Amino acid sequence: QKEVEQDPGPLSVPEGAIVSLNCTYSNSAFQYFMWYRQYSRKGPELLMYTYSSGNKEDGRFTAQVDKSSKYISLFIRDSQPSDSATYLCAMSLEGQNFVFGPGTRLSVLP
Amino acid sequence: ETGVTQTPRHLVMGMTNKKSLKCEQHLGHNAMYWYKQSAKKPLELMFVYSLEERVENNSVPSRFSPECPNSSHLFLHLHTLQPEDSALYLCASSPLGQAPDTQYFGPGTRLTVL
Repeated sequence: QKEVEQDPGPLSVPEGAIVSLNCTYSNSAFQYFMWYRQYSRKGPELLMYTYSSGNKEDGRFTAQVDKSSKYISLFIRDSQPSDSATYLCAMSLEGQNFVFGPGTRLSVLP
Repeated sequence: ETGVTQTPRHLVMGMTNKKSLKCEQHLGHNAMYWYKQSAKKPLELMFVYSLEERVENNSVPSRFSPECPNSSHLFLHLHTLQPEDSALYLCASSPLGQAPDTQYFGPGTRLTVL
């Protein structure tokens, strides 16, 4: 079983849609959960992180962690064409040595 | 820009060539990383340098040789590569001492091995 799994997509949605991106993981000891966004021909950039369980909101983005199900989600409200990118989840036990998912490619169509 | 630069941005090399990738960070960070990113695969951590000392080497073939002359510069020396080494090579840096230890990535070098 892979340590972190993520549907590679591509996921295509119309502008204004609510987007749900998800990762599942196998190591129940993970405590730190991050979402990175990677535009074409760029490196990943940190979007949000959460510690342990719960939700975190930042503008149009909400990160959610369900440790009982070993499942994390990133929701994007009112999606824009500028949100088109690959989204990578990453997780860690102690806040270092993050394990990355393969990424989901998102396309928001105008 | 993230404060991490990489050169060259694109590199095509034959299997017998020797080349080097360069990374420079302008963030005052203490740790630097090399990752390999292949299509539809997770980022693979290759090397970690903390305070200019290599602290991790994840079973990377010896045809990849890292060098960290100071805390701002990181190199990846390449020789006798294989076509399956074609990928995006990303450099990252982080400050250490924080939790989580947030990494800042460069734009990557797209490597093609013929």
